[in-house]
Amino acid sequence: AQSVSQHNHHVILSEAASLELGCNYSYGGTVNLFWYVQYPGQHLQLLLKYFSGDPLVKGIKGFEAEFIKSKFSFNLRKPSVQWSDTAEYFCAVNGGPDKLIFGTGTRLQVFP
Amino acid sequence: NAGVTQTPKFRILKIGQSMTLQCTQDMNHNYMYWYRQDPGMGLKLIYYSVGAGITDKGEVPNGYNVSRSTTEDFPLRLELAAPSQTSVYFCASSQGGTQPQHFGDGTRLSIL
Repeated sequence: AQSVSQHNHHVILSEAASLELGCNYSYGGTVNLFWYVQYPGQHLQLLLKYFSGDPLVKGIKGFEAEFIKSKFSFNLRKPSVQWSDTAEYFCAVNGGPDKLIFGTGTRLQVFP
Repeated sequence: NAGVTQTPKFRILKIGQSMTLQCTQDMNHNYMYWYRQDPGMGLKLIYYSVGAGITDKGEVPNGYNVSRSTTEDFPLRLELAAPSQTSVYFCASSQGGTQPQHFGDGTRLSIL
């Protein structure tokens, strides 16, 4: 069955630190991969997506992710985090033709 | 642009009561989804629909029902509310099953 694993459940960083959040998936077909962000009290918003082509994907707010097919991974990165990046981050993969499978999320806290 | 609109935003129910969570979208998306979000558990798919008149079960459908009489609306019904259904419910829509999903602001439901 398709699945998504986010191994970092809670990450605490200081402002200006670099960020990398792990995402591994299992899916036998063509993958579409996504990272969503959920700011406190808000709904999920799309950060970036990968469908095909360049495996290094750039999204909004300085985030990027790299698709590594051999490792079944799609890790999210940001060179220098800000306090405003405090949020929960969800990785997702297409779970067949009709729906997405979401990971359990990583809570990021950034301290000034 | 309204996007995906959910009502109500908050609701408290007593055990055994019933209610309908409303979801409407104005993007002419064929695909619509209902998720529940519990702390540390990510998003669990309850039901989804690939078009008017078509619905299908997700990962956690027990205790819920849906209908899709129009492209715009996808209500979620709880027939006999139970404490285990205390959660935050999100509705989402997309152009296709593997496309990015657009989320509503959520309904926070407490069952006492």
